[in-house]
Order: sequence, then C-alpha cells, then structure tokens
Amino acid sequence: QLQLQESGPGLVKPSETLSLTCTVSGGSISSSSYYWGWIRQPPGKGLEWIGSIYYSGSTYYNPSLKSRVTISVDTSKNQFSLKLSSVTAADTAVYYCARRSVDTAMVLDWFDPWGQGTLVTVSS
Amino acid sequence: QSVLTQPPSASGTPGQRVTISCSGSSSNIGSNYVYWYQQLPGTAPKLLIYRNNQRPSGVPDRFSGSKSGTSASLAISGLRSEDEADYYCAAWDDSLSGEVFGGGTKLTVL
Repeated sequence: QLQLQESGPGLVKPSETLSLTCTVSGGSISSSSYYWGWIRQPPGKGLEWIGSIYYSGSTYYNPSLKSRVTISVDTSKNQFSLKLSSVTAADTAVYYCARRSVDTAMVLDWFDPWGQGTLVTVSS
Repeated sequence: QSVLTQPPSASGTPGQRVTISCSGSSSNIGSNYVYWYQQLPGTAPKLLIYRNNQRPSGVPDRFSGSKSGTSASLAISGLRSEDEADYYCAAWDDSLSGEVFGGGTKLTVL
C-alpha cells in the first residue's frame, strides 16, 4: 500500500525559504503512471494546488506561486521536495504531498493517496 | 476567491439525499474532468469521485458525481453521520495551466 509522509521544519521565519520533503513508501516514485504533487491548506481555509513533478523532473507550477516555488525529485531516495522562498504569514498552512495519476496521453488526473500533512507556521 | 464556486455549507438529516454544486467555466469544468475530495475533520483529503462520475474502490455507491456544461454536482444519498465532512471539487484549468479547487462545502448531518 502506497504511503506518503511529509517532513520538514514546522516553523519558518518571514522572508526565509520553506523546505519540505515527501518520502514515498510502498511503491516507486519512478513509475511512468504518476506525477507527484504538493497542495496546501491555510488554517480554516480551502485547498490550493502548489505544483507537481514527474520522476524525469518535468514540472507544473501554480502560476500564482511559480516565481517562489521549486519542486525537485530524488529517485534514489524515493523522495520529492518543495522549496518556497520569501515566505510571509500568508504561507502558513498545512502542506500535503500526494500522488497524481496520469492517463496514457500524460493528461494529469486525480490526487490519491495523500500524505497526512504537516503544519508550517511562518512567524518570527 | 476560488476559481470553482461551491456553496459554503450544506446540511441534511440521516437518510436524506443532499447535493453539492460546483460551478466553473469553459476553461476548467467545461473542458476537463471534475474530481471530488472528502476531508473528514482533522484528516487529509481523500479521493471520492474521479473523472466526473467514477468511484474509487471502497467508496460507497451512495456517493455519485455528475457534470453538465460548466457545472458539476456531488450527490450523497442515504446520508449518514459519518458523511459529515468538507467536500471539495477540483479540475484542471486550461487558461491558468493549473489545478483549481472549489472553496469547499461543509456538510452537516443534523
């Protein structure tokens, strides 16, 4: 059974870079059938897609965050990572990683499963 | 302001049928699949419906999805107390080149 686990600092100072890693277990991140994504949820609010990455390194980013986001993959460790620069209090959220299916035409499909999420607070 | 519009709340009594709407545009719902996610209190979202009306294995057939034009709906029949959760619709948006979510609907079972 595939599982995803987010890890990283729970507190980041304003203007610094938020860094999180998602470790995939029970399956290979190098599968051709999936992208891997990050989604966040500010406290008490809705979901916001951050971006997705393929094992080859191909990425899609949310245009509203693109200038500050970098998603990378480490196939040797079965992990993918998120870096969000110049953070402010508005970046305080629970950050989820998730597997994203793709169809045979490489059209992005559903997110499943999701990690349990990790709360990152931006505060001095 | 979310790209996909959902009612902030919905409610029903046990056994009832409730429907949650999701309104978008030609660049998202109108031209791409719709997905629904269920988020139980204090937990991560879980896939409920994919490709407009398909249920993953393990999701009861009380849950159904539909799409017409630039709108989609999630219907829950035979409402149960354990269905109390937040429900989110999602779709790819061709204009934004990204995934967009609805603002979420909090379902209360009275």
